[in-house]
Amino acid sequence: LAKTTQPISMDSYEGQEVNITCSHNNIATNDYITWYQQFPSQGPRFIIQGYKTKVTNEVASLFIPADRKSSTLSLPRVSLSDTAVYYCLVGDVRGNAGNMLTFGGGTRLMVKP
Amino acid sequence: AAGVIQSPRHLIKEKRETATLKCYPIPRHDTVYWYQQGPGQDPQFLISFYEKMQSDKGSIPDRFSAQQFSDYHSELNMSSLELGDSALYFCASSESSGPSTDTQYFGPGTRLTVL
Repeated sequence: LAKTTQPISMDSYEGQEVNITCSHNNIATNDYITWYQQFPSQGPRFIIQGYKTKVTNEVASLFIPADRKSSTLSLPRVSLSDTAVYYCLVGDVRGNAGNMLTFGGGTRLMVKP
Repeated sequence: AAGVIQSPRHLIKEKRETATLKCYPIPRHDTVYWYQQGPGQDPQFLISFYEKMQSDKGSIPDRFSAQQFSDYHSELNMSSLELGDSALYFCASSESSGPSTDTQYFGPGTRLTVL
């Protein structure tokens, strides 16, 4: 499984855009990039998944450069309720039912008023 | 929308006792995963099942066993409990076909405390 590196923590203020970058230098051809959000004592919540270029949904955008060795999760206009841990995961998740997710060192985002 | 259901939500046991955690996946999801999250740690994968067969295995102790039943719900059985087993246990489910193939959706977790 590709190893990921992301900042341990980030601070932001309400209304700002937050970008969290994840490095995954040894990403494999079949690997997808998935981001999860976790609040204290709650299960991780799927945010977004992508393979290349840009993916956008109602919650976030995911930017993936051509070499796919990194990805950036973009959260527009964060609020206090976006304070959470954000995990970047890389793996061959499509067509492989039952494949585990490897969570490692997420980014603790603190949104301040 | 229906989510993953886990029961019980909280469980207190003594050392050397046994515990059974239950997970009911999202309707039409055929794959179930179990994760353990200790205090201040990241979720760690334990085991998964696809169509009632074990699919992948992680750092699950030999004292633990799990299975998936014909209605796709799953149970995690834990025996000879140790203090170090105190953690949040999450179940996740996914569907092997469809628009969100293999995206794992997590339940609210069961908090196990071993005294």
